[in-house]
Amino acid sequence: QKEVEQNSGPLSVPEGAIASLNCTYSDRGSQSFFWYRQYSGKSPELIMFIYSNGDKEDGRFTAQLNKASQYVSLLIRDSQPSDSATYLCAPGGGYQKVTFGTGTKLQVIP
Amino acid sequence: DGGITQSPKYLFRKEGQNVTLSCEQNLNHDAMYWYRQDPGQGLRLIYYSQIVNDFQKGDIAEGYSVSREKKESFPLTVTSAQKNPTAFYLCASSGTELNEQFFGPGTRLTVL
Repeated sequence: QKEVEQNSGPLSVPEGAIASLNCTYSDRGSQSFFWYRQYSGKSPELIMFIYSNGDKEDGRFTAQLNKASQYVSLLIRDSQPSDSATYLCAPGGGYQKVTFGTGTKLQVIP
Repeated sequence: DGGITQSPKYLFRKEGQNVTLSCEQNLNHDAMYWYRQDPGQGLRLIYYSQIVNDFQKGDIAEGYSVSREKKESFPLTVTSAQKNPTAFYLCASSGTELNEQFFGPGTRLTVL
């Protein structure tokens, strides 16, 4: 089973700042990760996928994967109040059990 | 439009009753999943199915049952054996070996 851990937060950042969300994992064999965003009362939606070491950028979002240190992070630049949500990470790969992190709640303060 | 539908959106159950939550997808995905989410908590896997007529228990399968008779459908039955079933139930599907999860809108179950 692929275990992941996240700080539950809440992480509070002022509008326009960079929000940094982190996820650590235990399975050294994990090759890829997904980030999901979940607004209060709604279902999660996929926002980022990262497969290789390094950074992947998509608009204001950057996902980072460090396999040596076994962590994956999500940076949100120019944070907006609409980014306030819970962010979940999960390893990818194979049609098998998916273990989500508990999620980090982000609050962007106007 | 392709997607995942769940019904009903809200469900109320009396203690001792079995209830069935519907999950349908038209994404032609092989794998389907059921999760439970309690307030302020993460997702916990109940059951998953990688192919028609086959399914596996997740981390909290006790008190739940599923079937996978069609590729498009993966209903979840919450039985009276589930002691604390009040929660938000999410169905998801995945169509590639990357195992990205596409979620339905969820069903909120409340036991009266």
